[in-house]
Order: sequence, then C-alpha cells, then structure tokens
Amino acid sequence: EAGVAQSPRYKIIEKRQSVAFWCNPISGHATLYWYQQILGQGPKLLIQFQNNGVVDDSQLPKDRFSAERLKGVDSTLKIQPAKLEDSAVYLCASSIDGNTEAFFGQGTRLTVV
Amino acid sequence: AQTVTQSQPEMSVQEAETVTLSCTYDTSENNYYLFWYKQPPSRQMILVIRQEAYKQQNATENRFSVNFQKAAKSFSLKISDSQLGDTAMYFCAFMIDTGNQFYFGTGTSLTVIP
Repeated sequence: EAGVAQSPRYKIIEKRQSVAFWCNPISGHATLYWYQQILGQGPKLLIQFQNNGVVDDSQLPKDRFSAERLKGVDSTLKIQPAKLEDSAVYLCASSIDGNTEAFFGQGTRLTVV
Repeated sequence: AQTVTQSQPEMSVQEAETVTLSCTYDTSENNYYLFWYKQPPSRQMILVIRQEAYKQQNATENRFSVNFQKAAKSFSLKISDSQLGDTAMYFCAFMIDTGNQFYFGTGTSLTVIP
C-alpha cells in the first residue's frame, strides 16, 4: 500500500514570498490533516478535511495560510506571504475516517530566510 | 481543553535494556484514543502503538507495551530489548472520539547507546 506522499521535501524561500505544498493521501482515506511542526515541538494541527469539507481550521492563520482539497483527494497548503516564523516542517497525514490512527507523510521542511 | 504532557525531553538507554517514556494527558471526555508515534531523523511519523480508552487491557506490540492508567490519565510507553533503530523522537498523542483531532505532546528524544 502506498503511503502519504508529500512534495517538495525541502523548500527555501525569502520572507514575503509565497510557497505551496502538495499532499496525496492514502487511497480511500477520507480524512486529511495538515500539521505544522516547529523544531523541538510536537505537531500542531493547522487544518483537517473530511473528504473535501473543512472540519477544523481554528489554528490556521487565515490571513496568510490557505488550504484546499478539491475532489476530496489530494490537497494543497499555501503560505502567502511567508514570515520567518513559518520555518517548520509541514506534515500531511490521512486516516480512513478520522476515528483511527493517522498515517503521516515525510513532511516538507520549509526554511524562510 | 485537551492537553498532552511529556515531561522527559531527552532520554537514553543502553542497547538491549528497557526504557519507559512517560505521558500524561488531560481531558473531560470519556471516549478517546491514545497513541505513541515515533519520528526518526527521516521525519516520517510512524505509529508505534495505540490504546482505546474503553479497554482496560494494556496494548502490546512486540517489544512495545503501554501502561494505561485511566484514572491517573497516564499513558507510558515501555520499550524492551532496546535496539539502535529505536533512536528517535517519540510523541504521545491523544484523540477524542467525537473530535477526530490529534493532540500531540512535545516529544521525548530517545537515544539508544551501543
């Protein structure tokens, strides 16, 4: 079974630039999560989708972050404009129905300079 | 509010020895799930073990087992016969039955010493 795919693995941008991350969850998984993991901390949920609808985006900085999951499959997370404090690993995860364990991708390490 | 606390930022253990990582959580919910995830340097979070709160029996997965104390809201992970490949960050996570959102602790960095 293929796992959660994320791209790119690494990204370096200057502050005020924009960046987008892509995630393809495990086939058949209805729930998709985006997490932000700052160095030395645990993952923090940014947004959770159930199929193509948003379940929870209470911790998403909506003035600069946006995410979509068109057709309820893959998802894109965008940051515009980026700030230095956005430097982190962005993890995508999926689960069958949101009531079971999540399977994680390898993440995208973003460095904002 | 749901919180997860891991009070041991770093731990080390000799190869083949046993180590226990601690985790406490706080919730007013009665139905929830608890997880331990491992994050090696490759960054991919890998599920180690899970425990349903309604089950009294502690979960076991090969060399990994948990000590789940629901009244104390404690969920520790025991790793037996530690191997070099166990070196990683370990995160305790918690999910309530109706919320479907994971809450993670701050992690424990485990180093297995040859």
